[in-house]
Amino acid sequence: DAGVIQSPRHEVTEMGQEVTLRCKPISGHNSLFWYRQTMMRGLELLIYFNNNVPIDDSGMPEDRFSAKMPNASFSTLKIQPSEPRDSAVYFCASSFWAGELFFGEGSRLTVL
Amino acid sequence: KNEVEQSPQNLTAQEGEFITINCSYSVGISALHWLQQHPGGGIVSLFMLSSGKKKHGRLIATINIQEKHSSLHITASHPRDSAVYICAVTRSGSRLTFGEGTQLTVNP
Repeated sequence: DAGVIQSPRHEVTEMGQEVTLRCKPISGHNSLFWYRQTMMRGLELLIYFNNNVPIDDSGMPEDRFSAKMPNASFSTLKIQPSEPRDSAVYFCASSFWAGELFFGEGSRLTVL
Repeated sequence: KNEVEQSPQNLTAQEGEFITINCSYSVGISALHWLQQHPGGGIVSLFMLSSGKKKHGRLIATINIQEKHSSLHITASHPRDSAVYICAVTRSGSRLTFGEGTQLTVNP
């Protein structure tokens, strides 16, 4: 299996632009997580899905952030409009229920 | 007080030394995870455990549920073990709560 696949790996954008991060979980996994990592705050859970349904989005910072999982093999995290404080590495991870977590390589976002 | 606390925050060792990283948590959990992150790199799950002890190569993870404590041991450490080691716990559902991480540097 190719593991969890995220794209893009790196994105540099200007404040106010829309950013879309993409994730393909491991086939057969039914839980998908979006995390954000910064130097100041470490790893934070933004949202997670079970069977494509959002279960806990309490970590989503504000309305500028939205996440979707239209099917079992694809999820997006969108930021609109982006701000410099959104600069971070965004990780997607998947698991089978509450089993072992498998992380993607991360998407490094820089908002100028 | 964080729900998950790790110690030490930073650790420097010489190649070959035995290393221990500790994790204490203050909430009821269903599982504890040890994760590894190399500089600029992705995150790899090393262990997921809910009781006892697990071993994988030179890595050993133990957990004491009564004491709410886990340790990650590295035997015969090597410079390639240099990374951040993160303890995380699963409470209800699938949500993980992370410790702040331990930065390990192993010098040759």
